[in-house]
Amino acid sequence: ETGVTQSPTHLIKTRGQQVTLRCSSQSGHNTVSWYQQALGQGPQFIFQYYREEENGRGNFPPRFSGLQFPNYSSELNVNALELDDSALYLCASSLEILSSGRGLTDTQYFGPGTRLTVL
Amino acid sequence: TQLLEQSPQFLSIQEGENLTVYCNSSSVFSSLQWYRQEPGEGPVLLVTVVTGGEVKKLKRLTFQFGDARKDSSLHITAAQPGDTGLYLCAGGTGNQFYFGTGTSLTVIP
Repeated sequence: ETGVTQSPTHLIKTRGQQVTLRCSSQSGHNTVSWYQQALGQGPQFIFQYYREEENGRGNFPPRFSGLQFPNYSSELNVNALELDDSALYLCASSLEILSSGRGLTDTQYFGPGTRLTVL
Repeated sequence: TQLLEQSPQFLSIQEGENLTVYCNSSSVFSSLQWYRQEPGEGPVLLVTVVTGGEVKKLKRLTFQFGDARKDSSLHITAAQPGDTGLYLCAGGTGNQFYFGTGTSLTVIP
Protein backbone atom coordinates (compact mmCIF):
# COMPACT_ATOMS: atom_id res chain seq x y z
CA GLU A 1 0.00 0.00 0.00
CA THR A 2 1.51 3.29 -1.11
CA GLY A 3 -1.17 5.61 0.29
CA VAL A 4 -2.01 6.77 -3.24
CA THR A 5 -5.61 6.09 -4.18
CA GLN A 6 -7.35 6.37 -7.53
CA SER A 7 -10.98 6.34 -8.53
CA PRO A 8 -12.77 4.77 -10.16
CA THR A 9 -10.98 1.43 -10.52
CA HIS A 10 -12.69 0.61 -13.78
CA LEU A 11 -14.60 2.72 -16.27
CA ILE A 12 -16.31 2.07 -19.59
CA LYS A 13 -17.04 4.96 -21.95
CA THR A 14 -17.98 5.35 -25.59
CA ARG A 15 -16.07 7.18 -28.27
CA GLY A 16 -16.54 10.96 -28.12
CA GLN A 17 -17.43 11.08 -24.44
CA GLN A 18 -15.46 12.84 -21.73
CA VAL A 19 -13.96 11.26 -18.61
CA THR A 20 -12.53 12.49 -15.31
CA LEU A 21 -10.17 10.33 -13.28
CA ARG A 22 -9.19 11.17 -9.71
CA CYS A 23 -6.09 10.68 -7.61
CA SER A 24 -5.38 11.30 -3.95
CA SER A 25 -1.69 11.65 -3.28
CA GLN A 26 0.22 10.32 -0.33
CA SER A 27 0.09 12.58 2.71
CA GLY A 28 2.69 15.34 2.50
CA HIS A 29 3.39 14.89 -1.21
CA ASN A 30 3.04 18.03 -3.35
CA THR A 31 3.71 16.56 -6.79
CA VAL A 32 1.44 14.33 -8.86
CA SER A 33 2.28 12.76 -12.20
CA TRP A 34 -0.11 10.98 -14.55
CA TYR A 35 0.76 8.12 -16.89
CA GLN A 36 -1.03 6.11 -19.56
CA GLN A 37 -0.12 2.43 -19.80
CA ALA A 38 -1.27 0.28 -22.69
CA LEU A 39 -1.43 -3.45 -22.13
CA GLY A 40 2.02 -5.05 -21.98
CA GLN A 41 3.87 -1.76 -22.38
CA GLY A 42 5.64 0.70 -20.13
CA PRO A 43 3.76 3.73 -18.80
CA GLN A 44 3.81 6.89 -20.94
CA PHE A 45 4.22 10.20 -19.11
CA ILE A 46 1.19 12.48 -19.63
CA PHE A 47 2.02 15.40 -17.34
CA GLN A 48 3.10 16.42 -13.87
CA TYR A 49 1.59 18.89 -11.42
CA TYR A 50 3.58 20.66 -8.75
CA ARG A 51 1.80 22.90 -6.26
CA GLU A 52 -1.27 23.21 -8.48
CA GLU A 53 0.59 24.10 -11.67
CA GLU A 54 1.50 21.93 -14.64
CA ASN A 55 5.22 21.31 -14.67
CA GLY A 56 6.20 19.07 -17.54
CA ARG A 57 4.11 17.41 -20.22
CA GLY A 58 4.59 14.40 -22.43
CA ASN A 59 3.53 13.92 -26.03
CA PHE A 60 -0.23 13.97 -25.46
CA PRO A 61 -2.80 16.18 -27.24
CA PRO A 62 -4.56 19.10 -25.49
CA ARG A 63 -7.71 17.03 -24.95
CA PHE A 64 -5.75 15.50 -22.06
CA SER A 65 -5.87 18.06 -19.29
CA GLY A 66 -5.47 18.07 -15.56
CA LEU A 67 -5.92 19.87 -12.29
CA GLN A 68 -4.23 19.78 -8.93
CA PHE A 69 -6.09 21.03 -5.88
CA PRO A 70 -4.81 22.81 -2.76
CA ASN A 71 -4.77 19.50 -0.91
CA TYR A 72 -2.57 18.18 -3.76
CA SER A 73 -5.13 15.68 -5.01
CA SER A 74 -5.47 15.69 -8.76
CA GLU A 75 -7.78 15.03 -11.69
CA LEU A 76 -7.07 13.87 -15.20
CA ASN A 77 -9.65 14.89 -17.79
CA VAL A 78 -9.85 13.43 -21.27
CA ASN A 79 -12.22 14.95 -23.82
CA ALA A 80 -13.46 13.48 -27.10
CA LEU A 81 -12.44 9.95 -26.16
CA GLU A 82 -10.92 7.76 -28.85
CA LEU A 83 -10.65 3.98 -28.97
CA ASP A 84 -6.86 4.24 -28.49
CA ASP A 85 -7.41 5.96 -25.16
CA SER A 86 -8.29 2.58 -23.70
CA ALA A 87 -5.53 1.92 -21.17
CA LEU A 88 -4.57 1.80 -17.52
CA TYR A 89 -4.15 5.33 -16.15
CA LEU A 90 -1.71 5.62 -13.30
CA CYS A 91 -1.03 8.50 -11.00
CA ALA A 92 2.06 8.81 -8.85
CA SER A 93 2.84 11.20 -6.04
CA SER A 94 6.22 12.41 -4.81
CA LEU A 95 7.67 14.96 -2.46
CA GLU A 96 9.15 17.16 -5.12
CA ILE A 97 9.46 17.65 -8.83
CA LEU A 98 11.11 14.88 -10.74
CA SER A 99 13.94 15.74 -13.10
CA SER A 100 14.32 19.17 -11.62
CA GLY A 101 17.69 19.50 -13.29
CA ARG A 102 19.22 17.40 -10.57
CA GLY A 103 18.02 14.10 -11.91
CA LEU A 104 15.55 11.91 -10.13
CA THR A 105 15.58 13.27 -6.65
CA ASP A 106 12.63 11.54 -5.14
CA THR A 107 10.66 8.33 -5.15
CA GLN A 108 7.34 8.17 -6.94
CA TYR A 109 4.59 6.21 -5.25
CA PHE A 110 2.04 4.82 -7.66
CA GLY A 111 -1.64 4.21 -7.19
CA PRO A 112 -3.29 1.01 -8.44
CA GLY A 113 -4.58 2.74 -11.57
CA THR A 114 -7.90 3.24 -13.32
CA ARG A 115 -8.68 0.87 -16.18
CA LEU A 116 -10.46 2.85 -18.91
CA THR A 117 -12.18 1.06 -21.75
CA VAL A 118 -13.46 3.10 -24.70
CA LEU A 119 -16.00 1.35 -26.92
CA THR B 1 9.77 6.56 -30.50
CA GLN B 2 10.85 5.12 -27.18
CA LEU B 3 13.67 6.90 -25.41
CA LEU B 4 14.43 3.83 -23.30
CA GLU B 5 14.52 0.44 -25.01
CA GLN B 6 14.47 -2.72 -22.96
CA SER B 7 15.46 -6.23 -23.97
CA PRO B 8 14.28 -8.83 -24.00
CA GLN B 9 10.60 -7.93 -24.18
CA PHE B 10 9.53 -11.31 -22.81
CA LEU B 11 11.46 -13.83 -20.74
CA SER B 12 10.28 -17.20 -19.47
CA ILE B 13 12.74 -19.17 -17.37
CA GLN B 14 12.85 -22.03 -14.90
CA GLU B 15 13.17 -21.43 -11.18
CA GLY B 16 16.83 -21.24 -10.18
CA GLU B 17 18.12 -19.82 -13.45
CA ASN B 18 19.89 -16.49 -13.81
CA LEU B 19 18.80 -13.70 -16.13
CA THR B 20 19.76 -10.22 -17.26
CA VAL B 21 17.49 -7.44 -18.49
CA TYR B 22 18.93 -4.54 -20.44
CA CYS B 23 17.84 -0.92 -20.70
CA ASN B 24 19.41 1.19 -23.44
CA SER B 25 19.12 4.75 -24.64
CA SER B 26 20.88 7.14 -27.00
CA SER B 27 20.37 9.87 -24.39
CA VAL B 28 22.33 10.51 -21.23
CA PHE B 29 20.43 10.34 -17.97
CA SER B 30 21.62 11.79 -14.70
CA SER B 31 20.03 8.78 -13.01
CA LEU B 32 17.90 5.77 -13.85
CA GLN B 33 15.35 3.85 -11.84
CA TRP B 34 14.14 0.25 -12.00
CA TYR B 35 10.58 -0.68 -11.13
CA ARG B 36 8.65 -3.93 -10.86
CA GLN B 37 4.96 -4.04 -11.64
CA GLU B 38 2.51 -6.82 -10.90
CA PRO B 39 -0.86 -7.21 -12.62
CA GLY B 40 -3.50 -4.81 -11.29
CA GLU B 41 -0.98 -2.69 -9.44
CA GLY B 42 1.17 0.34 -10.07
CA PRO B 43 4.95 0.06 -10.50
CA VAL B 44 7.03 -0.22 -7.34
CA LEU B 45 10.50 1.30 -7.19
CA LEU B 46 13.34 -1.20 -6.75
CA VAL B 47 16.42 1.02 -7.02
CA THR B 48 17.83 4.31 -8.30
CA VAL B 49 21.32 4.38 -9.84
CA VAL B 50 22.96 7.79 -10.05
CA THR B 51 26.67 7.41 -10.80
CA GLY B 52 28.13 6.15 -14.07
CA GLY B 53 29.55 2.67 -13.51
CA GLU B 54 27.63 2.25 -10.26
CA VAL B 55 26.63 -1.24 -9.16
CA LYS B 56 23.90 -1.76 -6.58
CA LYS B 57 22.87 -5.06 -5.07
CA LEU B 58 19.52 -5.86 -3.55
CA LYS B 59 19.61 -9.45 -2.31
CA ARG B 60 19.51 -11.53 -5.54
CA LEU B 61 19.14 -8.46 -7.78
CA THR B 62 22.17 -6.58 -9.14
CA PHE B 63 21.74 -3.27 -10.92
CA GLN B 64 24.41 -1.57 -13.00
CA PHE B 65 24.52 1.90 -14.52
CA GLY B 66 26.65 2.25 -17.63
CA ASP B 67 29.78 4.41 -17.54
CA ALA B 68 28.27 6.80 -20.08
CA ARG B 69 24.95 6.88 -18.17
CA LYS B 70 23.03 5.80 -21.28
CA ASP B 71 22.29 2.24 -20.27
CA SER B 72 21.58 0.03 -17.32
CA SER B 73 21.13 -3.65 -16.57
CA LEU B 74 19.31 -5.73 -14.02
CA HIS B 75 20.67 -9.19 -13.20
CA ILE B 76 18.67 -11.67 -11.15
CA THR B 77 20.42 -14.66 -9.63
CA ALA B 78 18.56 -17.90 -8.90
CA ALA B 79 15.18 -16.58 -10.04
CA GLN B 80 12.13 -17.51 -8.00
CA PRO B 81 8.44 -17.60 -8.99
CA GLY B 82 7.91 -14.51 -6.82
CA ASP B 83 10.17 -12.57 -9.22
CA THR B 84 7.50 -12.86 -11.92
CA GLY B 85 6.34 -9.46 -13.11
CA LEU B 86 6.92 -6.58 -15.50
CA TYR B 87 10.32 -4.93 -15.02
CA LEU B 88 10.63 -1.32 -16.10
CA CYS B 89 13.56 1.04 -16.27
CA ALA B 90 12.83 4.76 -16.10
CA GLY B 91 14.60 8.08 -16.24
CA GLY B 92 13.90 11.77 -16.29
CA THR B 93 15.21 14.52 -18.52
CA GLY B 94 14.03 18.08 -18.71
CA ASN B 95 10.52 18.15 -17.33
CA GLN B 96 9.57 14.74 -18.64
CA PHE B 97 9.83 11.26 -17.24
CA TYR B 98 10.28 8.20 -19.42
CA PHE B 99 9.64 4.55 -18.79
CA GLY B 100 11.25 1.80 -20.81
CA THR B 101 9.35 -0.57 -23.05
CA GLY B 102 9.24 -3.17 -20.28
CA THR B 103 10.40 -6.77 -19.81
CA SER B 104 7.77 -9.30 -18.83
CA LEU B 105 9.41 -12.01 -16.73
CA THR B 106 7.79 -15.37 -15.93
CA VAL B 107 9.59 -17.74 -13.59
CA ILE B 108 8.26 -21.27 -13.85
CA PRO B 109 8.36 -23.39 -10.66
